[in-house]
Amino acid sequence: DIVMTQSPDFLAVSLGERATINCKSSQNLLHSADNKDYLAWYQQKPGHPPKLVIYWASTRESGVPDRFSGSGTGTEFNLTISSLQAEDVAVYYCQQYYLTPVFGQGTKLEIK
Amino acid sequence: HVQLQESGPGLVKPSETLSLTCTVSGAPITSYYWSWFRQPAGKGLEWIGRVYVFGDTVYNPALETRVTMSIDTSKKQFSLNLTSVTAADTATYFCARTYRTGLVDPWGRGTLVIVSS
Repeated sequence: DIVMTQSPDFLAVSLGERATINCKSSQNLLHSADNKDYLAWYQQKPGHPPKLVIYWASTRESGVPDRFSGSGTGTEFNLTISSLQAEDVAVYYCQQYYLTPVFGQGTKLEIK
Repeated sequence: HVQLQESGPGLVKPSETLSLTCTVSGAPITSYYWSWFRQPAGKGLEWIGRVYVFGDTVYNPALETRVTMSIDTSKKQFSLNLTSVTAADTATYFCARTYRTGLVDPWGRGTLVIVSS
């Protein structure tokens, strides 16, 4: 089974500052058939379902602000928020869809 | 605009069967996989399984002895049955669309199921 590990578990960042969350996979998520990384990032606010933010490791979902970006390939990935806004406070999950879905444990992002 | 809505009892007794239905609108139910997830309060997300229109199902090995999923194309619904529930099955249950690539989006709003006598 693929294990997804996020760091840190908790992150406090000042408004307007950069926030970066790391996600490591126990297996390579880059599929040789299409040269795509099967890695997504979701944002979840209290009382709400997860919302897709990034897929294919770096493709921003429609409607997601461009301050959100995804990077990385293979087994290590990052989600970066370039300038933190109050509405970005949430728990962020990485998820591999190379095989049946497995999520990281989540990173709780707060305002410092 | 795709929407999914979970429905079912919010309280289930221990050892009984949890049954939930997800109603799909805005997308052809025959064109996608459809998945169930759950999330205990304050904890992370767990995939339960997925179903496809031709009866193709894949379940989480940790739950597969207790899980059954089915799909009713005429009602645009798919369902989850989880047998022999315990308090450990208390969670918010989400249904979601799954693309052939495995990407999951969007999700239903979720429904809280409490297992208690």
